[in-house]
Amino acid sequence: DAGVTQSPTHLIKTRGQQVTLRCSPKSGHDTVSWYQQALGQGPQFIFQYYEEEERQRGNFPDRFSGHQFPNYSSELNVNALLLGDSALYLCASSPSGAPQETQYFGPGTRLLVL
Amino acid sequence: QKEVEQNSGPLSVPEGAIASLNCTYSDRVSQSFFWYRQYSGKSPELIMSIYSNGDKEDGRFTAQLNKASQYVSLLIRDSQPSDSATYLCAVPLNAGGTSYGKLTFGQGTILTVHP
Repeated sequence: DAGVTQSPTHLIKTRGQQVTLRCSPKSGHDTVSWYQQALGQGPQFIFQYYEEEERQRGNFPDRFSGHQFPNYSSELNVNALLLGDSALYLCASSPSGAPQETQYFGPGTRLLVL
Repeated sequence: QKEVEQNSGPLSVPEGAIASLNCTYSDRVSQSFFWYRQYSGKSPELIMSIYSNGDKEDGRFTAQLNKASQYVSLLIRDSQPSDSATYLCAVPLNAGGTSYGKLTFGQGTILTVHP
């Protein structure tokens, strides 16, 4: 049984560019949350998708947007990249019917903005 | 006051000792609490969850929760070098409504277990 998968694993972009990160949740999981983790910090909640809609959002600007597909996979889009967007981007999924707080993380996508 | 705060590290313990990691949180109505382990360069791995006051044991790990004091801790008995990692405390903080699983993390405590 595959766990949460993310792609790509690493990405290098320049300021002003746009990036799309992808996530496939663990089998049986229908809720996907995205987090940003800067070096030396704990993960920061970006937003959560459930039933193809953004259900909750953290304190991130509109440059950060997302999508969830009918198969529960999800994308995170970041526009107009800034140097400060360099971080590890984590996707976490939650099992159907379980407390949404129980989240399992994928391996992450490390984004470097030059 | 930070919403979720962990004891400052790094924490260094000898092999075989008990490592004690502490976390305080700001939201009195939080009902669930999680500990994640994160090895360098890897993603967080869920190792413990606790929902009721008291202790919960899982192998060498014991989570302790005191809701009245808004305090949760993780004890690692018989610490091994392979336990060396960053430990993250996570709490779904409710801001006027359900959290829907919005986990708020502490800054993490770096644990080093030396032989």
